[in-house]
Amino acid sequence: DQQVKQNSPSLSVQEGRISILNCDYTNSMFDYFLWYKKYPAEGPTFLISISSIKDKNEDGRFTVFLNKSAKHLSLHIVPSQPGDSAVYFCAASPGTASKLTFGTGTRLQVTL
Amino acid sequence: DAGITQSPRHKVTETGTPVTLRCHQTENHRYMYWYRQDPGHGLRLIHYSYGVKDTDKGEVSDGYSVSRSKTEDFLLTLESATSSQTSVYFCAIRVMGPERVEQYFGPGTRLTVT
Repeated sequence: DQQVKQNSPSLSVQEGRISILNCDYTNSMFDYFLWYKKYPAEGPTFLISISSIKDKNEDGRFTVFLNKSAKHLSLHIVPSQPGDSAVYFCAASPGTASKLTFGTGTRLQVTL
Repeated sequence: DAGITQSPRHKVTETGTPVTLRCHQTENHRYMYWYRQDPGHGLRLIHYSYGVKDTDKGEVSDGYSVSRSKTEDFLLTLESATSSQTSVYFCAIRVMGPERVEQYFGPGTRLTVT
């Protein structure tokens, strides 16, 4: 039972445009959400998080949006750069509990 | 960089042999985790630790055991490796703080069981 779903395995975006990565969840107990970026042969890198009391969190080119009623979150990258090409994982946690549940990842390719 | 190292970085072993992977951290974090990453599955939690000698199972713990005798080291053991345990294994630590749940990952160990 996949509690955190990333339904798009891949996404291709032109440099300078917006990248939008999506994530859906089914567990109503989740109230912290995170995005990670992963390059080949490296560990995942934490990007940005949001708690359920907010609907938006921004950090430079990265913005995460949370729609609790739809159980949906998205990561916007503006403008997209070639160095953003990586696999992006969303993750969720129930409260400040110690465990994260990850989605299956979306591979983003930013083309010139 | 959360000061996490993993050893070995690559290992090839035969079915039925025991294997131990090591995770070492230098910043005295209480929580440590072992995940495996497989195509189509993302990252799945194997075991985690919330202190010395305190461990608990994750969603894919069968066939794995862990030990934490010191704060800085978290060991993952495959008692008798199987081909289904071929994977990339990541260790992580959690940084504690108000409203903080993020984990920071090591560089990974690629394990091949032949």
